[in-house]
Amino acid sequence: NAGVTQTPKFQVLKTGQSMTLQCAQDMNHEYMSWYRQDPGMGLRLIHYSVGAGITDQGEVPNGYNVSRSTTEDFPLRLLSAAPSQTSVYFCASSYGVREEETQYFGPGTRLLVL
Amino acid sequence: DQQVKQNSPSLSVQEGRISILNCDYTNSMFDYFLWYKKYPAEGPTFLISISSIKDKNEDGRFTVFLNKSAKHLSLHIVPSQPGDSAVYFCAASASWNNNDMRFGAGTRLTVKP
Repeated sequence: NAGVTQTPKFQVLKTGQSMTLQCAQDMNHEYMSWYRQDPGMGLRLIHYSVGAGITDQGEVPNGYNVSRSTTEDFPLRLLSAAPSQTSVYFCASSYGVREEETQYFGPGTRLLVL
Repeated sequence: DQQVKQNSPSLSVQEGRISILNCDYTNSMFDYFLWYKKYPAEGPTFLISISSIKDKNEDGRFTVFLNKSAKHLSLHIVPSQPGDSAVYFCAASASWNNNDMRFGAGTRLTVKP
């Protein structure tokens, strides 16, 4: 199993550009989520999905869109990048949504918005 | 408003000694707590968890202690090994699902040979 994979590893954008961060998992997990990590702060939930076709907002959803057309993939779209979106983005998945379910994280995408 | 705080950004210990990582929280509704470990260029990996109905949970060299009255949890690593050098995040949840989890900013542990 590859686990949770994320592409790209690193990206530089100019303000106003759009891009999609890719996330895929091969563990047949129903629950997937996106977090961002900023210096001096903990991981913060952006969006999550409890299954194909179902998405919802997390703690910091503004400026991001998600979709879940398949169980395996959960892309995160930045519609118009802003410097405040410079961060490290982690995708995670788990078998279920319960807090006891172990979340498996991808290696992260480091995004720099100029 | 950070509900989960790790006040020590870094900790350095000698190999073979005990490492104690601390975490404080403000939300008394938190009922499930976790520790994650993160190596550079990798995502966090689950290490150990504890439910609020317990005050201690052990898994090999790792023990998590929960003091609900003080709103404090700690992770003990005994004995510490150089491979334990990583960033450790604590996390807490107030509901039954992963959507409500709050993470601390992390403590970088360095174990010196």
